[in-house]
Amino acid sequence: NAGVMQNPRHLVRRRGQEARLRCSPMKGHSHVYWYRQLPEEGLKFMVYLQKENIIDESGMPKERFSAEFPKEGPSILRIQQVVRGDSAAYFCASSPRGYEQYFGPGTRLTVT
Amino acid sequence: GQNIDQPTEMTATEGAIVQINCTYQTSGFNGLFWYQQHAGEAPTFLSYNVLDGLEEKGRFSSFLSRSKGYSYLLLKELQMKDSASYLCAVRRNNAGNMLTFGGGTRLMVKP
Repeated sequence: NAGVMQNPRHLVRRRGQEARLRCSPMKGHSHVYWYRQLPEEGLKFMVYLQKENIIDESGMPKERFSAEFPKEGPSILRIQQVVRGDSAAYFCASSPRGYEQYFGPGTRLTVT
Repeated sequence: GQNIDQPTEMTATEGAIVQINCTYQTSGFNGLFWYQQHAGEAPTFLSYNVLDGLEEKGRFSSFLSRSKGYSYLLLKELQMKDSASYLCAVRRNNAGNMLTFGGGTRLMVKP
């Protein structure tokens, strides 16, 4: 059973471009969580999704950020018009029933 | 809101025992998790406590006191590979099961 997959592992974007981060949960997991980790800081919750539904997006910035988890395919975290402050590691975690969460390897976004 | 506190850094010697503390203030507490994170890697699950007491798993043990809002992670027979950040995270029962993390404790194991 493959673990949580995230791609790309590293992403470089210029200011103003769009960033798309993908997350494929573990097989059989229907709960997906996105977290952001700034350098030397802890993980901060962003959004919690189940298939085709956003359950909790209280940690998402109000503008430029969106997330989806379609019926088919990976969950996508989309950041429009990136700024330098968006540079961080973005981790996705999946869970079979909202119990323990298994983390993917993360996507390290660098905005130049 | 929530407040989760843990020391920023700790240093210990190979072969020794180290205890990493975590205190929290939250409503609707529904479990406390410990994760290990090596630099540049994903957090990996270590332990989960929802009831008071000690959970032992090999060289690692985790303790919880809900009345005191306190947990610790105990690492025995330290190895160099245990050098990592240790993240304490709290789950609330009214928060869609998402986790709120402390800032992490960076543990350095020295020979």
